[in-house]
Amino acid sequence: NAGVMQNPRHLVRRRGQEARLRCSPMKGHSHVYWYRQLPEEGLKFMVYLQKENIIDESGMPKERFSAEFPKEGPSILRIQQVVRGDSAAYFCASQGQYNEKLFFGSGTQLSVL
Amino acid sequence: QQPVQSPQAVILREGEDAVINCSSSKALYSVHWYRQKHGEAPVFLMILLKGGEQKGHEKISASFNEKKQQSSLYLTASQLSYSGTYFCGTVHAGSSNTGKLIFGQGTTLQVKP
Repeated sequence: NAGVMQNPRHLVRRRGQEARLRCSPMKGHSHVYWYRQLPEEGLKFMVYLQKENIIDESGMPKERFSAEFPKEGPSILRIQQVVRGDSAAYFCASQGQYNEKLFFGSGTQLSVL
Repeated sequence: QQPVQSPQAVILREGEDAVINCSSSKALYSVHWYRQKHGEAPVFLMILLKGGEQKGHEKISASFNEKKQQSSLYLTASQLSYSGTYFCGTVHAGSSNTGKLIFGQGTTLQVKP
């Protein structure tokens, strides 16, 4: 029973490039969260998705950031035209039903040069 | 909307006790607690759903005072393995099954031999 899989673990991009972060939830889970974490800081909510729906994206910057969770395949967090300030660890977490415990992936460390 | 945790940091000797508090300015539906070790993903500890509920996990327990919109995490007879950053996450009441989980800023616990 595989856990939450995130890839890549490390992603290096130059300013202006696009970053695509993938998250495969645990089997049977239909809810996915994305959080961003800077060093020595907390987990900042970005977006909450159910299969094919965005439930809450109030934590996502209006520009350059988008997320999806299609019927088939992993959830994708997409950052266009990355800037140095986007450098952070991005964690995804999956949930079986509303308000159940979250299972976190190992995170993707994004570095923007 | 972010819950507030206190204290920000705690240093203990093995065997000592600690309390970490989490408070919200809004009415709560539930409180989650997670622990994150350096360089790793957060790991679930417990969920509290009802006002006044208490739960236990090994020598770690928690309470949830719905009226005061507060939760406390109790670590008794601390072990070296308890070191890490503890996050509370809150789901606000009245969100009709779409309430997102928002984390506090974290409390860093260091247990020394």
